[in-house]
Amino acid sequence: QKEVEQDPGPLSVPEGAIVSLNCTYSNSAFQYFMWYRQYSRKGPELLMYTYSSGNKEDGRFTAQVDKSSKYISLFIRDSQPSDSATYLCAMSANYKNFVFGPGTRLSVLP
Amino acid sequence: GAVVSQHPSRVICKSGTSVKIECRSLDFQATTMFWYRQFPKQSLMLMATSNEGSKATYEQGVEKDKFLINHASLTLSTLTVTSAHPEDSSFYICSARERVLANYGYTFGSGTRLTVV
Repeated sequence: QKEVEQDPGPLSVPEGAIVSLNCTYSNSAFQYFMWYRQYSRKGPELLMYTYSSGNKEDGRFTAQVDKSSKYISLFIRDSQPSDSATYLCAMSANYKNFVFGPGTRLSVLP
Repeated sequence: GAVVSQHPSRVICKSGTSVKIECRSLDFQATTMFWYRQFPKQSLMLMATSNEGSKATYEQGVEKDKFLINHASLTLSTLTVTSAHPEDSSFYICSARERVLANYGYTFGSGTRLTVV
């Protein structure tokens, strides 16, 4: 079993839809969770950072962490074509060594 | 916010030559920088951790003599791919964390696409 699993997609949604992106993990020691967005041939950019369990909201983005289920989610409301990218989850136990998911390719169709 | 500049963004080189990639933290000091490699449609694979003023820590399976890392200052780390081969063709990305505001995420460079012909 991989340490971090993520559906690679591609996930296609119409503009304006609510998008749900998810990652599961096996290491119960993980407590730092991040979501990155990566456009084609570019470096990843940080979207959301969450420590431990709970929800965090930033504009159209909401990150959720459920440590009991070892499951994290990123929700995108009112999705836009400019949201089309690959979304990577990343997590760490000690904020030093991060493990990345393989990424989910999202396409938001106008 | 924190900005990491990576150069070049794209490089094509001949087999057997060496290529140097630079990673600079523009508005913050980074005691630690990370070098990743990413193949098409795959996630980032950590190659090594670059520590300012000391030797880099390489991940298992990464050849130290092939991927030379130098972190001579708090704002610059370099990765040199020596004696490059076509199988070294990949997308290389660096990341860094601000030394003081360590409770925030790592910032990534824009990546370098290396093609070895």
